[in-house]
Amino acid sequence: EAQVTQNPRYLITVTGKKLTVTCSQNMNHEYMSWYRQDPGLGLRQIYYSMNVEVTDKGDVPEGYKVSRKEKRNFPLILESPSPNQTSLYFCASSLEQGATEAFFGQGTRLTVV
Amino acid sequence: AQSVTQLDSQVPVFEEAPVELRCNYSSSVSVYLFWYVQYPNQGLQLLLKYLSGSTLVKGINGFEAEFNKSQTSFHLRKPSVHISDTAEYFCAVSDRWGSQGNLIFGKGTKLSVKP
Repeated sequence: EAQVTQNPRYLITVTGKKLTVTCSQNMNHEYMSWYRQDPGLGLRQIYYSMNVEVTDKGDVPEGYKVSRKEKRNFPLILESPSPNQTSLYFCASSLEQGATEAFFGQGTRLTVV
Repeated sequence: AQSVTQLDSQVPVFEEAPVELRCNYSSSVSVYLFWYVQYPNQGLQLLLKYLSGSTLVKGINGFEAEFNKSQTSFHLRKPSVHISDTAEYFCAVSDRWGSQGNLIFGKGTKLSVKP
């Protein structure tokens, strides 16, 4: 089954403790991205990647890092999480930018206390 | 920069009534347009998309949308809603010739269907 898998689904952590949210897709998609969803703000893009070893900032990249060492994986790294990063995070992949359907993971609800 | 406005944050409607969820985008240049749906505790899934051709686009679950270039709108409609349509709906746009071609999302419209 074609899917985007994120882990964990739920995470509570403390300020400053590094964490990684994993994302994996099995559709051989070139394009992957991370979004955060906050009430009343919709989805905002954090980072995106057009292919292996090619990443770039989205609209809200501060406090986040990503890597794309393999085509299927695109982890999101929070080196020193802060409470304002409490949010619902989604990973998405698509065959290419723009015109094609984006497939979303189930989401990761992160709480930073 | 491209932006998307969803004019209604919440739309309550009774079952079997028609519904229209409004979406306007900022740029008049060529764009791709999408509607995504998010059911409770789930990710987003594509309802329909407009790339080119006919301005009336049909999607899954009986939804359709009409692209209006002069009004820069892409409103979503369904003639008769069901309880199961209760969800949040997001309009999104992507520039055809933009430097990134990334999806820009609206803030979402929560559709609540009441019996």
